[in-house]
Parts: sequence; structure tokens; C-alpha cells
Amino acid sequence: DQQVKQNSPSLSVQEGRISILNCDYTNSMFDYFLWYKKYPAEGPTFLISISSIKDKNEDGRFTVFLNKSAKHLSLHIVPSQPGDSAVYFCAAKAGGGNKLTFGTGTQLKVEL
Amino acid sequence: GAVVSQHPSRVICKSGTSVKIECRSLDFQATTMFWYRQFPKQSLMLMATSNEGSKATYEQGVEKDKFLINHASLTLSTLTVTSAHPEDSSFYICSARIDRNTEAFFGQGTRLTVV
Repeated sequence: DQQVKQNSPSLSVQEGRISILNCDYTNSMFDYFLWYKKYPAEGPTFLISISSIKDKNEDGRFTVFLNKSAKHLSLHIVPSQPGDSAVYFCAAKAGGGNKLTFGTGTQLKVEL
Repeated sequence: GAVVSQHPSRVICKSGTSVKIECRSLDFQATTMFWYRQFPKQSLMLMATSNEGSKATYEQGVEKDKFLINHASLTLSTLTVTSAHPEDSSFYICSARIDRNTEAFFGQGTRLTVV
């Protein structure tokens, strides 16, 4: 049972444009959401997070939007840069607990 | 950011043998470390949570006698895959955090192949 879903395995965007990565979840107990970025042969790196009491969190070029009623979140990267090319994982946890539930990842390619 | 080092990055072992994977926090003390497994085209799945000096808490369906976790110090946790079988071949990755108020940092992962 995949509680966190990233339905797009890959996404290609031109440099300078906006990248939008999507994530859906099914567990209504999730109240904290995170995005991680992963380069080949490296571990995931924390990027940005959002609590369920907010609907938007921004950090530089990265913005995460949360739509609780739709159980959907998205990561916007603008402007996209070639160095953003990586696999992006969405993750969620519930009730201040330890367990992170991950999506399967989206491979972003930013082309020149 | 904080550094978590995992060793080895790749290991091939024979069926029936045991393999130990180390996870070290290099520049911080980790009260909690986590072990994940990722099969091809699937998401990272939490296997167990370990707190320094206490027994690990395993997720449902993960055999604690097969996947031995030791967290003997604030900077080192080990995962030992005992009596490995080909179906244990996977990508194992650890993460470590300072406390509940900080996000965890991930190691680079270990690709285990059991032949």
C-alpha cells in the first residue's frame, strides 16, 4: 500500500523555467511533509518541509505547496538550473513520530 | 550540513554469509539513527529505528534476528544482514539525527548483492 505517491517518474524542464514536482498521499494522519533531493551515489539531502498547519513554505528558489483537502503537495523550483537535475523524493510523517514514508521519487532533468 | 558516512558503498557476498554495514555521523552526535531499504523502482522503506544505548525498534515485517542493529555510540550504528540470501539484495541506507527537532541526514547508501 503506497501511502505516498509520486506518479511522474521523470520530468524534463528547460533551464530558467519552473519545475513542478507533484506528490499525493492517502494517509490523513500525515501532518508533516518533506522534500529530499538525491544525486547518484549520494544519500538524499533534505530540501524543504511543510507542516500541515501551513499551505505554503518558501526557501529561495524552492516553494512547497500543500493542499490538505486534496491530499496533495507540490514542489516548485524557479528558475530551474542544470544543477537541480536529480531525483526528488517526497516524504511524510504523522504525529511527531519518527517514521518517514517516502514516495518513489521523480527524476528531474533540467536541460540547457 | 552535517555528514553521515556509510560503509561500504557496495558489497557482494555469498549466500549464507553475514554482512555488516556501518553508519557514522562524522561531525555531530546522533541520538537516533534510522535504517532504510530500497528495492528497484520502489520507495525507501524504513526498516528500524535505533536510539543510542537501547534496542532498535523494527517496523512490521522486518525480522530483527536477520537484520541485527547495534547503536553502541552516539556516532556509530551498524546493520548486520545475517545468513544473507539473494532476496536480501537491495540498497540499504541509513540516516541520523541530532534530536527530535532536527531533520535527519542520510548516508550515501550501500548496494548489497547476494550471489
